Amino acid sequence: EPEVTQTPSHQVTQMGQEVILRCVPISNHLYFYWYRQILGQKVEFLVSFYNNEISEKSEIFDDQFSVERPDGSNFTLKIRSTKLEDSAMYFCASSWGDWGYGYTFGSGTRLTVV
Amino acid sequence: TQLLEQSPQFLSIQEGENLTVYCNSSSVFSSLQWYRQEPGEGPVLLVTVVTGGEVKKLKRLTFQFGDARKDSSLHITAAQPGDTGLYLCAGARRGGSYIPTFGRGTSLIVHP
Repeated sequence: EPEVTQTPSHQVTQMGQEVILRCVPISNHLYFYWYRQILGQKVEFLVSFYNNEISEKSEIFDDQFSVERPDGSNFTLKIRSTKLEDSAMYFCASSWGDWGYGYTFGSGTRLTVV
Repeated sequence: TQLLEQSPQFLSIQEGENLTVYCNSSSVFSSLQWYRQEPGEGPVLLVTVVTGGEVKKLKRLTFQFGDARKDSSLHITAAQPGDTGLYLCAGARRGGSYIPTFGRGTSLIVHP
């Protein structure tokens, strides 16, 4: 069964450093998303991406965050200057159609900012 | 932002028991989905419900969407240890953003 692949599975970074989280969505999917889940809290939407541009973003997705699909297969989330409160599991998801089709999530990247 | 309230927050039962978990909101949803998440993993889609009153079955799991499309339930018959996990509902509000909001989930533990 097709999978969404995320790398790395765990990243530790110092506060103020830039991090790039990588995702390879399912190949025929058209919609791409990033979510995060702070330990013990609910899954929160960050951003959606369709047709090579951001289609929607949440209040969490401020100027420190950016997304890119550089080569038609990878989908990346960059955090420019990490803060302690950015520590969380970051999930990439993709879908063939919009919300009604359901998302396939990756296994996540655990980001720890120290 | 619509709120999805899930109850109970925690559930610990013995193998073979039946259980129901609930997902409620004051908002009307165009569709609602249930996911199951295991520790350290991403959510895995179980089902999408779209029509008010709709009932869907997935082996021992029965999902129902409320007639008013504001709530949903998940019933598990004869629970097994493999059902252990965090059950999340997520809904997209009718007339609003199609981006879904997730509930906090029900953490289920099934003891052998």
